[in-house]
Amino acid sequence: RKEVEQDPGPFNVPEGATVAFNCTYSNSASQSFFWYRQDCRKEPKLLMSVYSSGNEDGRFTAQLNRASQYISLLIRDSKLSDSATYLCVVSRYSSASKIIFGSGTRLSIRP
Amino acid sequence: SQTIHQWPATLVQPVGSPLSLECTVEGTSNPNLYWYRQAAGRGLQLLFYSVGIGQISSEVPQNLSASRPQDRQFILSSKKLLLSDSGFYLCAWRAAQTTDTQYFGPGTRLTVL
Repeated sequence: RKEVEQDPGPFNVPEGATVAFNCTYSNSASQSFFWYRQDCRKEPKLLMSVYSSGNEDGRFTAQLNRASQYISLLIRDSKLSDSATYLCVVSRYSSASKIIFGSGTRLSIRP
Repeated sequence: SQTIHQWPATLVQPVGSPLSLECTVEGTSNPNLYWYRQAAGRGLQLLFYSVGIGQISSEVPQNLSASRPQDRQFILSSKKLLLSDSGFYLCAWRAAQTTDTQYFGPGTRLTVL
C-alpha cells in the first residue's frame, strides 16, 4: 500500500463547478500536509499548506482529518486555469527524506 | 528571497552516454536538497537527498549518482545512460530540520534515444 494515496482521476468538470479531492495517508506520525499543483510539463508548485483547523485561500479550501488520516481540497467556482494535476504531500519531522508525494489527481475544467 | 536553478532545461542524449545535471540554490544556507524523476504521466520518484556537503542518501538502486560539492550545489550524474532514464528531473530544496514545504526548480527534460 502506498503511503499517500490519491484518486488519479481525471476529473472533468464544467467551469463554475465545485470539485473536491481527497487524499489518504498511512503513517500517523505525519506532521505537515500540503497541496501542490503541477501544470503539464512544469514543476510542482505549492498551492497551500493544510492546517488542522482547516484553511481557506480564495476559492480553495483545505481540510485535515487526523483521526481518519485524510486530507481534502475543495475548489469552488472552478476556472479553466484550474486545470492541472493536484498533488497531495505529507511530511514528517527530523527525516530529510520523509516527504511523500501522492501520484496526483488530474483535473480538467471544460468551458 | 530564495531561488533554485536547474540546467539544462532539455537534453537529448544517446544510450550509453554520460550525464551531468546541475542544481543550485540561492538565498538560503544548509538546505536539504533533493533529486526527483518523473516519468511521463507518472508521479514523482525520489532519487537522492542530501542534508549537507558530501552527504548523499539514495532512495532507489539505479545507474545514477549524486554529489553535493558545495552547500548549495547538487549534481546528478550517470556514467552510461539507459533508455529507462528518460524523464523529467526535478531538483528541490527545503529548509533543514523543519517540516516546511519543498520548492522545486524548473526541471530538466531528458530524452535518451
